[in-house]
Amino acid sequence: GQQLNQSPQSMFIQEGEDVSMNCTSSSIFNTWLWYKQDPGEGPVLLIALYKAGELTSNGRLTAQFGITRKDSFLNISASIPSDVGIYFCAGANYGGSQGNLIFGKGTKLSVKP
Amino acid sequence: DTGVSQNPRHKITKRGQNVTFRCDPISEHNRLYWYRQTLGQGPEFLTYFQNEAQLEKSRLLSDRFSAERPKGSFSTLEIQRTEQGDSAMYLCASSLDMGWYGYTFGSGTRLTVV
Repeated sequence: GQQLNQSPQSMFIQEGEDVSMNCTSSSIFNTWLWYKQDPGEGPVLLIALYKAGELTSNGRLTAQFGITRKDSFLNISASIPSDVGIYFCAGANYGGSQGNLIFGKGTKLSVKP
Repeated sequence: DTGVSQNPRHKITKRGQNVTFRCDPISEHNRLYWYRQTLGQGPEFLTYFQNEAQLEKSRLLSDRFSAERPKGSFSTLEIQRTEQGDSAMYLCASSLDMGWYGYTFGSGTRLTVV
């Protein structure tokens, strides 16, 4: 099935460092979402973006919806050990009877304490 | 409400056997979704219900797969004649008509076909 291009695939960082990851698509979406998934659990929504150019923060997390509507990025500031996990971007064209999300392959974040 | 509940959490089955998974959505949610996630990949959409009506099916949902949502409450996903390629995490999510912050995933059912 269709998936988004997410990079980097994995990253190792020192506690306290800032993290950046991004997601690109060949298709336009009207909504971009960022999820975090811990081992053995389902994805948990971190941030939802609804308009091109929108910049939204949730605590130490900041995400932006690209102007072209084909990309998005997520920044995590001052990383801590509990930030470890897999981060997924997802695009959607929500409306009417639709409701499915298109996910990237994820960015695996590991933090050295 | 404790969120989206999926059972069983783990299932090991022999190739060729049938398996059925259950998803109990958040009680007031009218939309229910099934996704499949293989190792190292993001979740992939399988199918979607609004109340009891199955409104969308992915081409990933082969003839061996069937999903139901009788009475618009819980849902079941059945896989007939399982194959090793069916080994994956099967995730269920539910939501109200609008609003991404209410689109909630369950913890999934991990299927291993041996």
